[in-house]
Amino acid sequence: DIQMTQSPSSLSASIGDRVTITCRASQSISTYLHWYQQKPGQGPKLLIYAASGLQSGVPSRFSGSGSGTDFTLTISSLQPEDFATYYCQQSYTTLITFGQGTRLEIK
Amino acid sequence: QVQLQESGPGLMKPSETLSLTCAVAGDSINTFYWNWIRQSPGKGLEWIGYIYYSGSTNYNPSLKGRVSISLDTSRNQFSLKVNSVTAADTAVYYCAAGVLTGYYSPYHYYMAVWGKGTTVTVSS
Repeated sequence: DIQMTQSPSSLSASIGDRVTITCRASQSISTYLHWYQQKPGQGPKLLIYAASGLQSGVPSRFSGSGSGTDFTLTISSLQPEDFATYYCQQSYTTLITFGQGTRLEIK
Repeated sequence: QVQLQESGPGLMKPSETLSLTCAVAGDSINTFYWNWIRQSPGKGLEWIGYIYYSGSTNYNPSLKGRVSISLDTSRNQFSLKVNSVTAADTAVYYCAAGVLTGYYSPYHYYMAVWGKGTTVTVSS
């Protein structure tokens, strides 16, 4: 199985901050990497597909980058509705796996 | 925009068979790959498997042999069965609409839409 490791596990930030979350794969996965946002009591929501593709309807302050084993999700200017947990997911293998999540909290 | 709604028993006893259903609204059941994913504090998000409208399935090997996913096109819904549940199967279960792009493996495969989830607790 490909292991996905996110860092940090939790993060405190303020409105307007630029935030970067990292996801590392245990082997190279090219750009077969996708990002989700989850708020309490809800299912996850797709933000970014194929490492850098912005899902329709997702604000442009969200961006993704990376290839191989190292990927980042960046929020350029945090808004109140962005405080949530973020997950990465790989689809390089037919057994898709997720990162353990990064909880983004208000400072 | 497709919408998904899970339904299930809530509380179960060990060794019973878990049955969950996901109702699909707003799009044809021929459009997506239909997935089940669960989330527990101990294991995070765990993909269980998918079914496509053609009937093809793919399951997580860690659960294979205990799970099956089926599709009811007449009712626009799909279902999950997990046999011989234990406390380790306690989780929030989500259904999700998967998108697969590419002509050959590996594929970009991601969950475009998720349901709100249903909690399943296994306890004696």
